[in-house]
Amino acid sequence: DAGVIQSPRHEVTEMGQEVTLRCKPISGHNSLFWYRQTMMRGLELLIYFNNNVPIDDSGMPEDRFSAKMPNASFSTLKIQPSEPRDSAVYFCASRQGLYGYTFGSGTRLTVV
Amino acid sequence: DQQVKQNSPSLSVQEGRISILNCDYTNSMFDYFLWYKKYPAEGPTFLISISSIKDKNEDGRFTVFLNKSAKHLSLHIVPSQPGDSAVYFCAASVDSNYQLIWGAGTKLIIKP
Repeated sequence: DAGVIQSPRHEVTEMGQEVTLRCKPISGHNSLFWYRQTMMRGLELLIYFNNNVPIDDSGMPEDRFSAKMPNASFSTLKIQPSEPRDSAVYFCASRQGLYGYTFGSGTRLTVV
Repeated sequence: DQQVKQNSPSLSVQEGRISILNCDYTNSMFDYFLWYKKYPAEGPTFLISISSIKDKNEDGRFTVFLNKSAKHLSLHIVPSQPGDSAVYFCAASVDSNYQLIWGAGTKLIIKP
């Protein structure tokens, strides 16, 4: 298995533009998580899905952020419009059981 | 309210010596604790865990100690090696099906 696959690895965009981050979880994992890592707050959980259903989106910063999981093998995190303070590394993780938590390599987002 | 706290943003240790990374938590309902290791440009990877029914778990050079009365756990690395230089995250969960709550991370630097 190739692990959790995130794309793109790096994204540089101008303020106001729409940004879409993509994640392919490990096959068979039934939970998917989107995290944001910043120097100030470390790893923040944005949203997580269980069996493709959003369970907890209380970590989503504001309405500019949205996430979807149309099927078990794909999820997106969209920011529209993007702002400079959204610059961070965004991680996707999937799991099957507590110890099966596997992270992708992350997307480094820079909004200028 | 941070339920899992890693109060040291960074730690520098001489190669060959012991590295001790600390983590405090506030929620007495936590019963699983995990340590993850993160290299630059990669996602966190699972390192070692401990259940609340134990006070120590050892895996090679890595040992995690849990003090439930003090709501404190620590990760010991002996002997420290240059490849141990990374960011270490402490995480906790109420049960095996619940989401992980993460600390902000501690950057460990092993000096040659």
